[in-house]
Order: sequence, then C-alpha cells, then structure tokens
Amino acid sequence: DGGITQSPKYLFRKEGQNVTLSCEQNLNHDAMYWYRQDPGQGLRLIYYSQIVNDFQKGDIAEGYSVSREKKESFPLTVTSAQKNPTAFYLCASRSPGLAGFMEQFFGPGTRLTVL
Amino acid sequence: QKEVEQDPGPLSVPEGAIVSLNCTYSNSAFQYFMWYRQYSRKGPELLMYTYSSGNKEDGRFTAQVDKSSKYISLFIRDSQPSDSATYLCAMSGTNAGKSTFGDGTTLTVKP
Repeated sequence: DGGITQSPKYLFRKEGQNVTLSCEQNLNHDAMYWYRQDPGQGLRLIYYSQIVNDFQKGDIAEGYSVSREKKESFPLTVTSAQKNPTAFYLCASRSPGLAGFMEQFFGPGTRLTVL
Repeated sequence: QKEVEQDPGPLSVPEGAIVSLNCTYSNSAFQYFMWYRQYSRKGPELLMYTYSSGNKEDGRFTAQVDKSSKYISLFIRDSQPSDSATYLCAMSGTNAGKSTFGDGTTLTVKP
C-alpha cells in the first residue's frame, strides 16, 4: 500500500531536549511538508521541501530543523529553542506539476507533549 | 488579520440536515480552493477542490467559490453521523505548492 507513515504516534519529551519526528512516504512524491496543528486551529506550515537536498522555511520555522537526504524521508527535529512545542504534527507529500492541482496527502500525525 | 477566516463552529445538527460550512479570504492570488475532512486524531483527507470560481458537486457534497466576494462554501446534504468531523478549508495560488488553511469547523451529526 502506498502512503505516508509517521512515527511515533505519541511522543513525550522533557523540557530542554531535542526530539526528531519521522516521516516516510512511498508515493514517489518530490515535495514534502511539515505542519503543526494546535487545538481549535488550522495547519501552520513549518518547513517544506520541493526536492531532495533542498528545503525552505514555512511560516513558523523558528525552533525547528529538517533534512531531506532521501526522496522518501523528511524528518523534523523539534529543538529546545521551540518555546511551545506541545502540538499535533502532520507530515504531507505531493507530486508537483507545472500547472494544475496536485493533491496533498497527509500522514496520521505525531502528538508531541512536553512534560 | 489572517489570510483565511473560517466560521468557527462547532456545529451540531440532526441526521438528514443540510450543513453549510464557510470561509472567507483576503488574498486575490488564490486559485485553488480545497476542503479537507479530519477525523479526531487523524490526518486530514481531501474531500473536494475547485479551481477558480464556480460550483462542484460530488454526491452529497457541493463546493462553491465566489471569487468576487472572496467567499467559499461547502454544503453537505442529507448529513450522516459518519460526517461528524472537523472540516478545514484551504487555498493556494496557481502553483499550488503551498496551501493556507482555515482553523476548521467541527461538525457533529446526531442520529
């Protein structure tokens, strides 16, 4: 089955620790995205990558870092510099085209709680 | 001010009711208008999208876009308990590379 997997589903972290969230896709998509969702709010873009070895900051990149060494993988590190990291994190991918709509597929999410 | 504003809800309706979900936006560059459904503790899934203005129908769901008023709607006819979820509107420009999301409206359909 093609899709996006995120692990772990639930993650607990102590203040001051860095933590890495995993995102893997086997859809052969070039573009991948990380969003943050807080209760009662929509999705806010953290980082996105249109191609391997390249990524751009989204609207709320401070305190986060990413890498894109492989097409299938786009891990997100939540650093100790992120002031309020408790949230639901969603990874997505899409196959970009020169024109026209390309559906964005989402993973099941990781719920991060800072203790 | 947010680029995309969504009616906050929550909404609670009886089974069989017609539901109207709405968003307004301020960015004239938006060309693609999407509706996502998100069940509790799950990732969103695309319900429908519309390019530019007009209506689009898919079964019990109808999406409307009025670019002159910068207003989009999703109508659900004959609502079912399985429609209970959070509905997110989203919009993007012609490249469709990045989407801007509304805050979502939580819908409960009671049997």
